[in-house]
Amino acid sequence: DTGVSQDPRHKITKRGQNVTFRCDPISEHNRLYWYRQTLGQGPEFLTYFQNEAQLEKSRLLSDRFSAERPKGSFSTLEIQRTEQGDSAMYLCASSLEGGLRETQYFGPGTRLLVL
Amino acid sequence: AQTVTQSQPEMSVQEAETVTLSCTYDTSESDYYLFWYKQPPSRQMILVIRQEAYKQQNATENRFSVNFQKAAKSFSLKISDSQLGDAAMYFCAGTGAGSYQLTFGKGTKLSVIP
Repeated sequence: DTGVSQDPRHKITKRGQNVTFRCDPISEHNRLYWYRQTLGQGPEFLTYFQNEAQLEKSRLLSDRFSAERPKGSFSTLEIQRTEQGDSAMYLCASSLEGGLRETQYFGPGTRLLVL
Repeated sequence: AQTVTQSQPEMSVQEAETVTLSCTYDTSESDYYLFWYKQPPSRQMILVIRQEAYKQQNATENRFSVNFQKAAKSFSLKISDSQLGDAAMYFCAGTGAGSYQLTFGKGTKLSVIP
């Protein structure tokens, strides 16, 4: 049973560029979450998928951010026209409906630095 | 939980000793879940222990246990026989039954002194 994986682990980009991150959840998990963690803070919720449907979005998810989960498997998080304030660790988590209730398992994260 | 507060930014403990990390929360929901996660330096977040609010019995996982005081909205983590590998950021988090988003505290950095 492999855990949640994320790719890339690190990304450095210039302000104004677009970036895309990928998350592969634990294989049988049907729920997938994205969080953002800035230095010295706890993770903050961004969005949540149940299968392929995006069911919750935080106000933190501006119109420059878009997330998809085609076919209910892996998910991508895209940030368009990156800003320096987007620099953070982007965490993905997954959970199983009907499993240990609401227990989310996290991936290693993608650390984004916007220059 | 709608808000989660960890008032201890840093804690330290001698190896083999016991340490307690504090967490308070606030929620309007009657059914919710509370968690402690551990995040070692440059490594991924790992679930340490979970507690369902409807259960009166405090959760335990080996050397880790919680003191869940529902009326006081307190959820502390006790680590017994501390080991060097316990050094990490510890985050308290909660979620309501009707929502799937976790709300995290700011974390407590635990150092273990050999």
